[in-house]
Amino acid sequence: DAGVIQSPRHEVTEMGQEVTLRCKLISGHNSLFWYRQTMMRGLELLIYFNNNVPIDDSGMPEDRFSAKMPNASFSTLKIQPSEPRDSAVYFCASSYQGTGGSGGTGELFFGEGSRLTVL
Amino acid sequence: SQKIEQNSEALNIQEGKTATLTCNYTNYSPAYLQWYRQDPGRGPVFLLLIRENEKEKRKERLKVTFDTTLKQSLFHITASQPADSATYLCALDESYIPTFGRGTSLIVHP
Repeated sequence: DAGVIQSPRHEVTEMGQEVTLRCKLISGHNSLFWYRQTMMRGLELLIYFNNNVPIDDSGMPEDRFSAKMPNASFSTLKIQPSEPRDSAVYFCASSYQGTGGSGGTGELFFGEGSRLTVL
Repeated sequence: SQKIEQNSEALNIQEGKTATLTCNYTNYSPAYLQWYRQDPGRGPVFLLLIRENEKEKRKERLKVTFDTTLKQSLFHITASQPADSATYLCALDESYIPTFGRGTSLIVHP
């Protein structure tokens, strides 16, 4: 398996533009996490999906951010309109989590990240 | 409020010595705790997971301890090598959602 694949790796855009970040999960994984990493705040959870359903989106900064899982293997994170303070590295990570307490290993598999710069 | 604290200062050690990194937390009751390694420009990579009912876990040159009374985990790398230089992140998991500390940078000098 190629691992979690994110695109684009780098994005430079101007304030006010729409940004779409993409993530392909590892085959067989059923949980998807979007994190944002900055020097000031470290790795912050934005949103968590389990079996394509958003479970926790309390970390999504505001209505400008939206995330979707149109199918079990793919997710998008959209920022519209983008602002300079959105500049960060955005990571997605996938894992397998069982049901009824059987659980997976809990470990997350991260992509290489999308570095976003908003001018 | 909930906090996960890792030493923000880089840890500098000599090759061959044991590196010990600390992760302290407050107002969490994690079911388990994980350690990740992150190299510059890369995503974090999973190293070890330890459950709340486990005191210690080992994997090759790595050892993790977990003290739920002290609310602390220690991460050890024995016989450290320059290739071990990276940032190490701890993550607490209360309900399948890992929350990460800021990480500690380790620099191993030849």
